[in-house]
Order: sequence, then C-alpha cells, then structure tokens
Amino acid sequence: KQEVTQIPAALSVPEGENLVLNCSFTDSAIYNLQWFRQDPGKGLTSLLLIQSSQREQTSGRLNASLDKSSGRSTLYIAASQPGDSATYLCAVTANTGKLIFGQGTTLQVKP
Amino acid sequence: EAGVTQFPSHSVIEKGQTVTLRCDPISGHDNLYWYRRVMGKEIKFLLHFVKESKQDESGMPNNRFLAERTGGTYSTLKVQPAELEDSGVYFCASSQVPQEAFFGQGTRLTVV
Repeated sequence: KQEVTQIPAALSVPEGENLVLNCSFTDSAIYNLQWFRQDPGKGLTSLLLIQSSQREQTSGRLNASLDKSSGRSTLYIAASQPGDSATYLCAVTANTGKLIFGQGTTLQVKP
Repeated sequence: EAGVTQFPSHSVIEKGQTVTLRCDPISGHDNLYWYRRVMGKEIKFLLHFVKESKQDESGMPNNRFLAERTGGTYSTLKVQPAELEDSGVYFCASSQVPQEAFFGQGTRLTVV
C-alpha cells in the first residue's frame, strides 16, 4: 500500500532564506509526482509535476527533484518570500490518475 | 476556459441530515475524481469516474456516501445521513488524461 510522508510538518523561516521540503513514498511504482500549494480556504494549485522518467522540474524559484529508486522527492524554494506562506502538498500518481497525498508541510515566511 | 467548479463552497448541516455536493468538471474531461480531507489528516481519494462509469470507488468510506455522474458531465456526492466525522473539505478534480488532474476549490462541510 502506497504511503506518502512529508517532513517537516511545519516550517517557519525568515524572508530570503532558501528552503527544502521533503517527501518520501513507499512504493516506487508511480506514474508521476506532483507538488501542490494550498492557501487557507482555497483549492489546490499544482506547482510542479515530475514524470517518473524525469529527475527534476523547475519553475521560477521552485525546483523539484525525484529519486524514484529511493522513494524521495524534494521541493526547493529559493529566496523565500512572505507570499510563499501556504501548505505544500506532495502527491504520487498511480496509472489510473488516483493521487495519494502526504499530510503536507505548512510554511510560514516571516517578513 | 472555466476550471473545475464546486458547489456549495461551504455547508453546515446537522447530524442526520442529507447534503449533496456538486462538481462541474472542465468541459471535455472524462476523468472525474472526488477526494476529501478531514481535520488533521491527509487528503484521501474517494472515487474515480470515467465518463459516467465508476472506475474505482475503493475510497468511499461507507454506504452513507453516494456519488453519481449522470450523462458523464457534472457529478454529485450525497451524504445521507451525515455524521460528525464526515466534516472536512471535499475536493473534486478532473482530467483529460488520468495523470494530470485539475482541482476545484473544495466544499467545506461542517456537520454539527
């Protein structure tokens, strides 16, 4: 049974810091892995999608890596800003499109 | 292009009542998924439609939950009768290809 774990559960950093969010999964038979952002009371916004054959994806200040063999992914946020404050969710996708989520990391970036 | 739309955005009902949540997927998306997040837990899969057919309903918690997708367009998720533990945020997602889903804003359900 696939399980997804995110560490840390919460993180508070001063503005400008670079930070890393971690995600691990137990079954390497995934179709892809996605990182989402959720703002309070809002829906999920897809940030980055890494196909199982890829090693990383980048979008602006965000970089996500995937190591399928070890069951790990990281989300790197460069030069963090207060507007980055949100909950970040990692999810792995099965071939059917079913997503299995981690519990998320709640990030607070202080001005 | 309109995204995935969910109605209502919030619902507060009493234990024992019935509530129906609606999801309008992106036009042309055959795949429709329901998920929910209860307090303190991760978002969990409920079920997957392909057009009007239930492809996978392994995540439905019990028979108080009924999902339909008549005509393969919008979907409804009915909870009858609602219990306190059903409180949470219910998300709908749709996709053209199974692996790239777009999420709605969610419906926050509170059962009191």
